[in-house]
Amino acid sequence: DVKVTQSSRYLVKRTGEKVFLECVQDMDHENMFWYRQDPGLGLRLIYFSYDVKMKEKGDIPEGYSVSREKKERFSLILESASTNQTSMYLCASSHLYRGASGQHFGDGTRLSIL
Amino acid sequence: GENVEQHPSTLSVQEGDSAVIKCTYSDSASNYFPWYKQELGKRPQLIIDIRSNVGEKKDQRIAVTLNKTAKHFSLHITETQPEDSAVYFCAASRPRVGAQKLVFGQGTRLTINP
Repeated sequence: DVKVTQSSRYLVKRTGEKVFLECVQDMDHENMFWYRQDPGLGLRLIYFSYDVKMKEKGDIPEGYSVSREKKERFSLILESASTNQTSMYLCASSHLYRGASGQHFGDGTRLSIL
Repeated sequence: GENVEQHPSTLSVQEGDSAVIKCTYSDSASNYFPWYKQELGKRPQLIIDIRSNVGEKKDQRIAVTLNKTAKHFSLHITETQPEDSAVYFCAASRPRVGAQKLVFGQGTRLTINP
């Protein structure tokens, strides 16, 4: 069974801090994704990656960056956290050739910026 | 870019009745339409999906219909049970080179009343 693991379930940080959210998958998937989930807005794509060191902007990349140094790990970085980045963050992965049909999600990280 | 609208935002039905959730999409090139179920505090999980070359797909009590001309698709749950209570998300994806992106609807909170 695919396992997508996010490093923290809950995280509290302060405004202006640099925040790292980590995601690891164990199925050798090429694609990895970061979403944020807000009530009434669904899941919105922040960044995604289809290979090591490759990344593409999603629909709401402002204020975020990502790092993919190894195939199994995809990190989301909040360069200078702000209160409007308080949200639930979900990581997902999929096999390249199954594309959108095989996205598997982690349990999420609920991030609060004070 | 793609835009997916989902209705209703909340839905309450009596146990045993049917529930229908509807989504419309804007990109006529979209060809893959999954539905995810997210129980409280848990990760989104794929429950059913449909591709644009098919008009309807069923899996036990769950069915999805697709109208490409009108650019809308619907989730139908029959004989609802308490465990169907969750937030449901529709999504759409178009073919592309590399990782396929999912664009999600806003979500529907379904409550099954005993």
